[in-house]
Amino acid sequence: GENVEQHPSTLSVQEGDSAVIKCTYSDSASNYFPWYKQELGKGPQLIIDIRSNVGEKKDQRIAVTLNKTAKHFSLHITETQPEDSAVYFCAASIPNTGGFKTIFGAGTRLFVKA
Amino acid sequence: SQTIHQWPATLVQPVGSPLSLECTVEGTSNPNLYWYRQAAGRGLQLLFYSVGIGQISSEVPQNLSASRPQDRQFILSSKKLLLSDSGFYLCAWEQGGAYEQYFGPGTRLTVT
Repeated sequence: GENVEQHPSTLSVQEGDSAVIKCTYSDSASNYFPWYKQELGKGPQLIIDIRSNVGEKKDQRIAVTLNKTAKHFSLHITETQPEDSAVYFCAASIPNTGGFKTIFGAGTRLFVKA
Repeated sequence: SQTIHQWPATLVQPVGSPLSLECTVEGTSNPNLYWYRQAAGRGLQLLFYSVGIGQISSEVPQNLSASRPQDRQFILSSKKLLLSDSGFYLCAWEQGGAYEQYFGPGTRLTVT
């Protein structure tokens, strides 16, 4: 079945450094790849997304890249700040009856040390 | 703007008791609605989704059921809770035809 693998499970960086989280997906029909940030005790928040017809997208300090051939996509956070500390989830969405089926990765816990 | 509400925020229930979690969306019409469960330190597992009133699709056979009595209301239920039902339950909405899915604040359920 559909699967999304996410690495690493935990990532610790120094404030100001960059953080990279990588995901791979299995279903080639996936055409939408969102990233979510989840703070403790809260629901996930959509922070950036990319569609299959785009290779890269940037929004201030965060960027996503997509390699459809390799079925890889990545989240890049530059100039990390302590408030970036959270759990980040990648996901891959596949068109489904009336909507989309979204498969989530297991999450990456990011610690940014001040 | 659209907002999504879930209640209760936290719930402690004994094994064998019933469950009803509610999710409502404001500021949109005919959204696709989703229920996810998140075990401690884990990813999100899709439980149910709905593309319209009375239309429910189940992704995982389990002790839970879902209903959509109104366009912007989604309910997650159980007749008898199990210990394994403990977790963080998240409702999400998506505008039909759009890609972006937005989550509610979640309900933390502890079954004792």
